[in-house]
Amino acid sequence: QSALTQPASVSGSPGQSITISCTGTSSDIGAYNFVSWYQQHPGKAPKLMIYDVSYRASGVSNRFSGSKSGKTASLTISGLQAEDEAVYHCCSYRSDNALEFGGGTKLTVL
Amino acid sequence: QVQLVESGGGVVQPGTSLRLSCGASGFTFSTYAMYWVRQAPGKGLEWVAAISHDGNTKHYADSVRGRFAVSRDNSKNTLYLQMNSLRAEGTTVYYCARAQGGSSWQFDYWGQGTLVTVSS
Repeated sequence: QSALTQPASVSGSPGQSITISCTGTSSDIGAYNFVSWYQQHPGKAPKLMIYDVSYRASGVSNRFSGSKSGKTASLTISGLQAEDEAVYHCCSYRSDNALEFGGGTKLTVL
Repeated sequence: QVQLVESGGGVVQPGTSLRLSCGASGFTFSTYAMYWVRQAPGKGLEWVAAISHDGNTKHYADSVRGRFAVSRDNSKNTLYLQMNSLRAEGTTVYYCARAQGGSSWQFDYWGQGTLVTVSS
């Protein structure tokens, strides 16, 4: 069982917006801004999308945005496109020099 | 361009050892912390180990501490993961990854992964 809690799946139609939540504890998301999001297409390595809670990685579309409130981080994708269909993983630094990942959320573009 | 290429994966029996390598190019390897992350098929990502840019500081996930050892050779631009007492956990892909910004516990580049199967 993953330390960070993400919904197993979300879906949306092209052009719509979706938000994926990632809930942690006061020892990880609630304490640090080292929160990142990764996109992973089938058979591929993960790709950094968001780091430090809300900063877009180089080359990432501004349709992707990140935020945090308390112990919950969120990834929002606006103007959904077919190519956004993938698994999204959240990640947070934890207080004892460790890293936690969520279980991953499969995004389906209808 | 930044490239990370893992190697050394294979099929091994429980209780044996394996060493993974990750060759880096396209950046100044010696200035970046590096990490190992693994993933079982259809499962989430799991952080395994971290090593500072100079190799002096290392951290491990509880699940591998005492069995795995991370190291690096900055003269060869190579990261290693020595895995001992491997457990029968099936198939796992091991990725090496570079620290975003040099030391941030976030990963801006990943290798393509190397497959490790531990089975009797």
